[in-house]
Amino acid sequence: GAVVSQHPSRVICKSGTSVKIECRSLDFQATTMFWYRQFPKQSLMLMATSNEGSKATYEQGVEKDKFLINHASLTLSTLTVTSAHPEDSSFYICSARDNRAGGNSPLHFGNGTRLTVT
Amino acid sequence: GNSVTQMEGPVTLSEEAFLTINCTYTATGYPSLFWYVQYPGEGLQLLLKATKADDKGSNKGFEATYRKETTSFHLEKGSVQVSDSAVYFCALAETSGSRLTFGEGTQLTVNP
Repeated sequence: GAVVSQHPSRVICKSGTSVKIECRSLDFQATTMFWYRQFPKQSLMLMATSNEGSKATYEQGVEKDKFLINHASLTLSTLTVTSAHPEDSSFYICSARDNRAGGNSPLHFGNGTRLTVT
Repeated sequence: GNSVTQMEGPVTLSEEAFLTINCTYTATGYPSLFWYVQYPGEGLQLLLKATKADDKGSNKGFEATYRKETTSFHLEKGSVQVSDSAVYFCALAETSGSRLTFGEGTQLTVNP
């Protein structure tokens, strides 16, 4: 089946530094990928929609300059948390839809990245 | 707008017990409905789906039926196992576009 690889799985960084998270579709192409944030014992909050070759679409309340998204190819999207602070500590999950599938077909999720900012 | 409401957790059951996790939704169109499962420290995996009214999705002993009249998609399993312990998310996808709207998630713990 379709596989989405997310890297790293865990990262610890110091406050003020930047962290890049990669999301790759391994056996399919994805024009559109999604980035979610999940707080402990809570549901997933959609942060942004990543579109290959164009700017990402951010949800209301998500800071574009803080969460930089780049979708340079049909198999890779990156999320960079800039100038990270402890409140950015969270579980970040990416997902992608196979270009060959229909609009309501299921998303394929990465295994998530646990970010801890100290 | 669209929304998904799940029964509050956590849910704790003994092995071989019957499971029901309620899910209701609000949508303007005719969405597709999904159940995703998340094991500790992992991302989400699709468990089952239904794309139109009266469809029944099933996988690994889990079932859910798309009920348009009650706007529900309750998850059921006749006999749970310890390995079913996870967080379960109900979700819907709009008829156009690819956005998923998730419910709050329900933590299930199955004890031996």
